Amino acid sequence: DAGVIQSPRHEVTEMGQEVTLRCKPISGHDYLFWYRQTMMRGLELLIYFNNNVPIDDSGMPEDRFSAKMPNASFSTLKIQPSEPRDSAVYFCASSPRTGDSYNEQFFGPGTRLTVL
Amino acid sequence: GEDVEQSLFLSVREGDSSVINCTYTDSSSTYLYWYKQEPGAGLQLLTYIFSNMDMKQDQRLTVLLNKKDKHLSLRIADTQTGDSAIYFCAETYSSASKIIFGSGTRLSIRP
Repeated sequence: DAGVIQSPRHEVTEMGQEVTLRCKPISGHDYLFWYRQTMMRGLELLIYFNNNVPIDDSGMPEDRFSAKMPNASFSTLKIQPSEPRDSAVYFCASSPRTGDSYNEQFFGPGTRLTVL
Repeated sequence: GEDVEQSLFLSVREGDSSVINCTYTDSSSTYLYWYKQEPGAGLQLLTYIFSNMDMKQDQRLTVLLNKKDKHLSLRIADTQTGDSAIYFCAETYSSASKIIFGSGTRLSIRP
């Protein structure tokens, strides 16, 4: 398996533009997570899905952020309009369902977003 | 509430042992994890321990869990330059599907 795939790896955009980040989880994994990592705030969970259904979006910073998972093999995180403070590395991770609370998450390589 | 705390930085000499510490607040934690993040990459599971254990050893890695004090540590023996990374402590508990991550400890190795 190729692991979790994210695209693009780098994105530079101007303030006010729409940004769409993409993720393909590992096949067969039931859970998908979106994280944001910055030096100031560390690693933050934005939202996660179970079987394509959003379970917890309490980490989404504001209405400018939205995430979708139209099928088991694809998810997007959209920022509209983008602002300089959205600059960060965005990670997607997936994990399989287990019989207990054991939860190994497999992370993608991340998308480094720079908003000018 | 959920909270996992770690020191931000650790510097050790090559060949020495590294000990990275973590404290957590949720006494119902079932699994505790150590993830490693190398530069420019995502996090990767390094090792984990179930909450009914107090020690786990895996080659150069030793995990110690003190449930009474809610303290977790990761010891890396014979630290090498390839061990330079950010190490995240994390926990899960029985009622949740998500992992609670600490802020990460950046380990640097000096010659």
